[in-house]
Amino acid sequence: GQNIDQPTEMTATEGAIVQINCTYQTSGFNGLFWYQQHAGEAPTFLSYNVLDGLEEKGRFSSFLSRSKGYSYLLLKELQMKDSASYLCAVMDSNYQLIWGAGTKLIIKP
Amino acid sequence: DVKVTQSSRYLVKRTGEKVFLECVQDMDHENMFWYRQDPGLGLRLIYFSYDVKMKEKGDIPEGYSVSREKKERFSLILESASTNQTSMYLCASRPGTGDAGELFFGEGSRLTVL
Repeated sequence: GQNIDQPTEMTATEGAIVQINCTYQTSGFNGLFWYQQHAGEAPTFLSYNVLDGLEEKGRFSSFLSRSKGYSYLLLKELQMKDSASYLCAVMDSNYQLIWGAGTKLIIKP
Repeated sequence: DVKVTQSSRYLVKRTGEKVFLECVQDMDHENMFWYRQDPGLGLRLIYFSYDVKMKEKGDIPEGYSVSREKKERFSLILESASTNQTSMYLCASRPGTGDAGELFFGEGSRLTVL
């Protein structure tokens, strides 16, 4: 079956760095997405990786290893507004997204 | 600015009622999707549509139907609402078939069935 695993909840301190991991097993692979979702709001797109390596976008970076079925989202210089859920999703061979349950990130002052 | 608009943010319905959730996008996207989101679970695909008047079942279509009469509008219908359909419903769109592009989501419709 298809499966996406990510931690349920993480806590970090304002100004610090946090890494949110995502492992996957899917039928085919057409890329991996990270979305951010604040409580009560719609998910918004953060990043897309289809090749191995690190993609950097400001304070956020996303890494992919296709051979290991593994990705992480790295958030630097954490701000209180980064408190949100982070959703990992893999696009399978049919271009359908398979979603993880999301990681709730709590930022403490 | 791209926009996906869902008709109702919050609804409370009774068991057995018919429920319509409407979604409109202004980006001329071909692909539209309906998901439900429940605590502790990933987004689950109910139905999707790659073109006008076209619909495909997702992973959990039972108890739901959809309508896509116009390109910009994709409606989700609960023919006879049940308590286990209490959930957050998210509509999303993306440009085209086979496109690995990002999804654009609406704000969500939180449905409570009593």
